Amino acid sequence: QVQLVESGGGVVQPGRSLRLSCEVSGIIFSNHGMHWVRQAPGKGLEWVAAIWYDGSKKCYADSVKGRFTISRDDSKNTLYLQMNSLRVDDAAVYFCARDTGRYPADWGQGTLVTVSS
Amino acid sequence: QTVVTQEPSFSVSPGGTVTLTCGLSSGSVSTSHYPSWYQQTPGQPPRTLIYATNTRSSGVPDRFSGSILGNKAALTITGAQAHDDSYYYCVLYLSGDIWVFGGGTKVTVL
Repeated sequence: QVQLVESGGGVVQPGRSLRLSCEVSGIIFSNHGMHWVRQAPGKGLEWVAAIWYDGSKKCYADSVKGRFTISRDDSKNTLYLQMNSLRVDDAAVYFCARDTGRYPADWGQGTLVTVSS
Repeated sequence: QTVVTQEPSFSVSPGGTVTLTCGLSSGSVSTSHYPSWYQQTPGQPPRTLIYATNTRSSGVPDRFSGSILGNKAALTITGAQAHDDSYYYCVLYLSGDIWVFGGGTKVTVL
């Protein structure tokens, strides 16, 4: 079955950068769009970004547009999220999820990003 | 900016029925928004329950059903069980190729 494993989280100072990875197995990765969704401590889910199955389109929430970049490497079955100019309110658990038809379907366990000076 | 609305909380008795809704701050929810529903317990990733309005994800019991009710998407839990005590989120696919989650509903079974 599909497995998604996020990595790359950690503690970072405001204004710095971090890159998250999501390694996917059990499916033909290049056939699927992918999402990043985050959840701040004690808060609800927030959609962050999506990338089409062929990488032709990338979409972002207004809260991260211009600072975050979603990308994929199909040769490595891996999804990425490059996060620049991090702010305190970017602190969250970041989940990657597979899209199977205009919705996030299968989810990873998440990776925690803490933004603090 | 479009807001997706959900009730903050609901309480239901064991064996009872509860209907959660998912609306838009402006306009009506339709099948073209591909409304989907997730269950989440603290410390766990979301679990997909319903996608594309009314299709149950694999392994989800038929106690959970999705629909459009009036101008909102709805998730109905029939015959609530203790382990249904959880948070429930909806997400809508909006024009401009963005997705927006609702704020979530805490369902308490007691």
